[in-house]
Amino acid sequence: EVQLVQSGAEVKKPGESLKISCKGSGYSFTTYWIGWVRQMPGKGLEWMGVIYPDDSDTRYSPSFQGQVTISVDKSISTAYLQWSSLKASDTAIYYCARQLWLGAYPAALEIWGQGTMVTVSS
Amino acid sequence: QSALTQPASVSGSPGQSITISCTGTGSDVGSYNLVSWYQQHPGKAPKLMIYEVSKRPSGVSNRFSGSKSGNTASLTISGLQAEDEADYYCCSYAGSSTLNVVFGGGTKLTVL
Repeated sequence: EVQLVQSGAEVKKPGESLKISCKGSGYSFTTYWIGWVRQMPGKGLEWMGVIYPDDSDTRYSPSFQGQVTISVDKSISTAYLQWSSLKASDTAIYYCARQLWLGAYPAALEIWGQGTMVTVSS
Repeated sequence: QSALTQPASVSGSPGQSITISCTGTGSDVGSYNLVSWYQQHPGKAPKLMIYEVSKRPSGVSNRFSGSKSGNTASLTISGLQAEDEADYYCCSYAGSSTLNVVFGGGTKLTVL
């Protein structure tokens, strides 16, 4: 079964750092891009960026460039999303998903992780 | 404000058909056949229902269909069932010099 399993919920204080994970299984992890999507409480979905596990090619949405870092460890089929200094406004559910492409363009997010709830509060 | 505009809510009775619209611009929906639709039940992860405007992933009911005209994409659900009650989000590639993908604000579907 193809699946993405994310790390558990986190509660952090403003200014702290955080790295959450997304482990793929049931398919060739290195040959599919992994994307990250934010969903703030009671709000809609926001595409953050994607990474290609085979060579770590990473692309960010303009809205998230410089705010987060996407990385991967292909040896353990795991992608990461990290913050160096969290803010209260980072409170959200973060989803990873396998990104489909049509040629050079991102086409859809086909397989989703279960989500990681990140709460940032003093 | 979301990049793509969807109605906040739609409703229908079991067995009826409903359509959810998704309006973008000539820089996203209007320029690329890269519109996708996602279903999200409360407390659950989104699920891909339609991609590349009108294609259905394996396992998705053929009651779900997608289309596009100009800058507006649409998701139609026929033969409404109680389990279709959920939030629905459209999504499109938005082009530009840096990679960008945009979502709609979401539509709450209520099955009466």
